[in-house]
Amino acid sequence: KAGVTQTPRYLIKTRGQQVTLSCSPISGHRSVSWYQQTPGQGLQFLFEYFSETQRNKGNFPGRFSGRQFSNSRSEMNVSTLELGDSALYLCASSLQDRRTGELFFGEGSRLTVL
Amino acid sequence: QQQVKQSPQSLIVQKGGISIINCAYENTAFDYFPWYQQFPGKGPALLIAIRPDVSEKKEGRFTISFNKSAKQFSLHIMDSQPGDSATYFCAATDSWGKLQFGAGTQVVVTP
Repeated sequence: KAGVTQTPRYLIKTRGQQVTLSCSPISGHRSVSWYQQTPGQGLQFLFEYFSETQRNKGNFPGRFSGRQFSNSRSEMNVSTLELGDSALYLCASSLQDRRTGELFFGEGSRLTVL
Repeated sequence: QQQVKQSPQSLIVQKGGISIINCAYENTAFDYFPWYQQFPGKGPALLIAIRPDVSEKKEGRFTISFNKSAKQFSLHIMDSQPGDSATYFCAATDSWGKLQFGAGTQVVVTP
């Protein structure tokens, strides 16, 4: 069974640009969550999608957005990039009820903003 | 602010020793407490998890101890091995289903 796939794995952008990251969850998983990981802040929850609806949202500015498609694949977008957005962005999928099940993480998309 | 406080930030333990990582929380609505293990270049992976109605859970060399009244829980790695060298994150799920992570502990097991 294939794991969570994130693309691209690495990317470099400049301030002011926007970026779109993609996540393909494990087959059958309907919940997709996104996390930002930085050395200083650790793992910070961005948002969670379930059946194409945003179910939970973390404390990030509106520049961070996401969506989920009918096949459960998800994308997140960051507009007007800032230097502080440099981070590893992790996607995780889970079965229907995340509160009773585990999250399966991808290997992440490492974003560098210059 | 970090809703789950984790310590220490890093620790070094000799092979065969015991690694202990502690976490504390304030939100009494948390009802699921997993630990994740992350190797460099990889995403975190679930190691072991506990619910607050259980005081201890053991899986192989890994044990979670949970103290509901103190709002604390800890991970013990017995007989630590070099392959256990990784970053460990405690976490808690709140009533809205959001998983809140601790800051992480980098564990280095020396041969």
